[in-house]
Formats: sequence, C-alpha cells, structure tokens
Amino acid sequence: EPEVTQTPSHQVTQMGQEVILRCVPISNHLYFYWYRQILGQKVEFLVSFYNNEISEKSEIFDDQFSVERPDGSNFTLKIRSTKLEDSAMYFCASSEEFLANEKLFFGSGTQLSVL
Amino acid sequence: DQQVKQNSPSLSVQEGRISILNCDYTNSMFDYFLWYKKYPAEGPTFLISISSIKDKNEDGRFTVFLNKSAKHLSLHIVPSQPGDSAVYFCAASAFSSGGGADGLTFGKGTHLIIQP
Repeated sequence: EPEVTQTPSHQVTQMGQEVILRCVPISNHLYFYWYRQILGQKVEFLVSFYNNEISEKSEIFDDQFSVERPDGSNFTLKIRSTKLEDSAMYFCASSEEFLANEKLFFGSGTQLSVL
Repeated sequence: DQQVKQNSPSLSVQEGRISILNCDYTNSMFDYFLWYKKYPAEGPTFLISISSIKDKNEDGRFTVFLNKSAKHLSLHIVPSQPGDSAVYFCAASAFSSGGGADGLTFGKGTHLIIQP
C-alpha cells in the first residue's frame, strides 16, 4: 500500500538553527499538508499546499516557516530559526483529491527537539 | 480555543464490549467530521467520517453518530478488540464552505485501552 514517508524520524537541533523536515507524499496525490502535535496537545494544522503554492496556512505558520516542493517527489518544511516552542511531532500528509479531507494520508512524523 | 473537544483523555474497555468515544464541537460552520486512529510511532490513519446531512454512518465494527443540535458526535466500536487499543482523534472541517484546504481541526485525542 502506498504511504507517505518522512525523514528523519527524529531531529535534535539547537535554538536558532534552521531545520528542514522532509516528506515524500504518495505519488499521485495533489494536496500536501503539514500538521504538528506538541506533546500532550492536539494535532494542529500548519499549512496546505497545492499546485506549487500555499493554499491555506494557520496562525502558527509565521514567517519562520516555509514549504517547498523542490522536485516532483519531495515536500519540505523549513523552520528558519528554531525556538524552544517549536519542539513537536511534525506530520506530513497528502490527499489525492481537492478538498477530500477524509482521504488524508499521514506520514509517521518527525519528532523535532529544540534544545 | 478548543473548537473540538474530547473530554476523556483515556478510556478502558473490556475486550468484546462496546467502546464509546465522545467528541463535542463549538464551531457551527463544521459540517464534516472524521475519526482518526493513531498507534505509537505512527501517523494518524483515517477510520470513519460523517457529513452533517447524516446522523449515522456505519463501517463494520465502527459506527459514528452525529447529534447536530447538541454539537456532539460519538464513535462506537463493537465488539472491541485488543488491536483497537490506540489514541482516537476526532476532527472536523468546514467542508462545504470551502474550508477543505484549511485543514482539519483536531481534538486532543482519547487513549482507548482494550483489556483482555
């Protein structure tokens, strides 16, 4: 069964450093998403991406965050200058159809720890 | 601002019995509701969904009930099996108002433990 893959599974970084979280969505999917879950809290929407541009973004997704689809397969989330509060599990997701939320497929996540 | 609330952080149920997980929401624009299941070290996986035009949707052992007037939904699992032990997230979307690309609003999750 096709799956969304995320690398690395764990990332430890120093505060103020830049990190790039990588995702390979399912190949025929058109919509891509990033969500995050801070320990003990709910899963939160960060951004959706379609046709090489951001569709929507939440309040969390400020100027420190950016997303990119550098080639036909990868979808990346960059945090320019990490803060302690960016420590969370980051989930990438993709879907085949426009607005088909129920068909969101999630990756296993990248656990980001900012020290 | 918790627009989707799951008030029970955990629930313990005996194998073979019914598990009932509850979810409340406050945003009246939500019209599509989903349940996701999450095992440790894995991402959430879609379980079942319901549109606001329905009050019940069934898929095998899983049934979701929606009470729009109470802004409440519940997931019933019958019979409960050991493999059902996981964290269950309720999620909502303002689908018909074009909110699909806004992503899903999740609850905090309920950890379901099925005891043998």
